[in-house]
Amino acid sequence: AQSVTQLGSHVSVSEGALVLLRCNYSSSVPPYLFWYVQYPNQGLQLLLKYTSAATLVKGINGFEAEFKKSETSFHLTKPSAHMSDAAEYFCAVSYGDHDKIIFGKGTRLHILP
Amino acid sequence: GAVVSQHPSWVICKSGTSVKIECRSLDFQATTMFWYRQFPKQSLMLMATSNEGSKATYEQGVEKDKFLINHASLTLSTLTVTSAHPEDSSFYICSAIPHPLTDTQYFGPGTRLTVL
Repeated sequence: AQSVTQLGSHVSVSEGALVLLRCNYSSSVPPYLFWYVQYPNQGLQLLLKYTSAATLVKGINGFEAEFKKSETSFHLTKPSAHMSDAAEYFCAVSYGDHDKIIFGKGTRLHILP
Repeated sequence: GAVVSQHPSWVICKSGTSVKIECRSLDFQATTMFWYRQFPKQSLMLMATSNEGSKATYEQGVEKDKFLINHASLTLSTLTVTSAHPEDSSFYICSAIPHPLTDTQYFGPGTRLTVL
């Protein structure tokens, strides 16, 4: 079975500071890993995904994530936070692009002025 | 880009009534759609996998007689919450896999259901 664990249900960073959202996964097979963002009362938007190609994945809005098999991690980072980054972020895992997706519990990112 | 719509975007109903939620792929065909449920301040939980022309596959713990799923065409899947109760109040989100397969699946904007 696959699962993801997101460390920290709430993370606060100052505007301009580094954003780091942590995600660890569990999978018996090479996983597909995703980060999604959800703004209030809206659906999900794909930020980026890992599909066994490059371990450092660049996504939209300046976000990137690095797949580390030895640590079973897929942490999301952004060098400089913007106020518009305030949202809920979900790490997720799947067996493939076209399989059901298992979501983590989410991390709400707060940006402090 | 590929667009998935859901209708209605929000609905309020009385306890005991049934509510139908539609999930449409607007500019592509989808043989497979997924239905998720998200309770307030919680994550998305997969409810069922909907395949065009066949019965849906439900996740453990999801009542198939309560959450009726119909995927009658390659662009439409419906979720009907039968005899809704306040505990069914939630945000329901669908996703669709394009056919022919592309490199991702697309999520709808969600439907907020409130049962009084």
